[in-house]
Amino acid sequence: EAEVAQSPRYKITEKSQAVAFWCDPISGHATLYWYRQILGQGPELLVQFQDESVVDDSQLPKDRFSAERLKGVDSTLKIQPAELGDSAMYLCASSLFPRQGSGYTFGSGTRLTVV
Amino acid sequence: DQQVKQNSPSLSVQEGRISILNCDYTNSMFDYFLWYKKYPAEGPTFLISISSIKDKNEDGRFTVFLNKSAKHLSLHIVPSQPGDSAVYFCAATSLNDNNDMRFGAGTRLTVKP
Repeated sequence: EAEVAQSPRYKITEKSQAVAFWCDPISGHATLYWYRQILGQGPELLVQFQDESVVDDSQLPKDRFSAERLKGVDSTLKIQPAELGDSAMYLCASSLFPRQGSGYTFGSGTRLTVV
Repeated sequence: DQQVKQNSPSLSVQEGRISILNCDYTNSMFDYFLWYKKYPAEGPTFLISISSIKDKNEDGRFTVFLNKSAKHLSLHIVPSQPGDSAVYFCAATSLNDNNDMRFGAGTRLTVKP
């Protein structure tokens, strides 16, 4: 079964350092999402791509977060500088079409701990 | 703003019994609702969904009920199995609007053998 690949699985970084996460969506999925899940809360959308274009980044803290999907395939989410409050699970998901609801496939996530 | 609320952080049931997980929402524009299941160290996986034109959707042991007037939905698992132990997220969206999917905080279900 096709999967969304994410790396690394775990990341520990010191505050003020830079950190990056990588996501490879299911082949052919044009829509890619980055979600952040803080412990005890549900996932929250950070950014949505349609092919290589950002279609929704209204919840992305743009002073420190950036995301790109240069060739419309894999994607990188970067945080610089990391803050203690950024500790969370970062989930990538993809779907054939935007806002397909049941069509979202999530990766296993990257657990970030900022110390 | 919490538009989707799961007020029970945890639920424990005996194997073979019914599990009922509840979810409330505040946005009347939501017209499509989903339940996701999440095991530790894995991403959420889609479980079942329901459109606002229905009040019930069934898939095997899983049934989702929607009460639009009360802005409430519930997931029933019958019979519950130990493998159902996971965190269950309720999510809602508006398919005709440009709103992203809103998730509840999740309910951790433990099914005891």
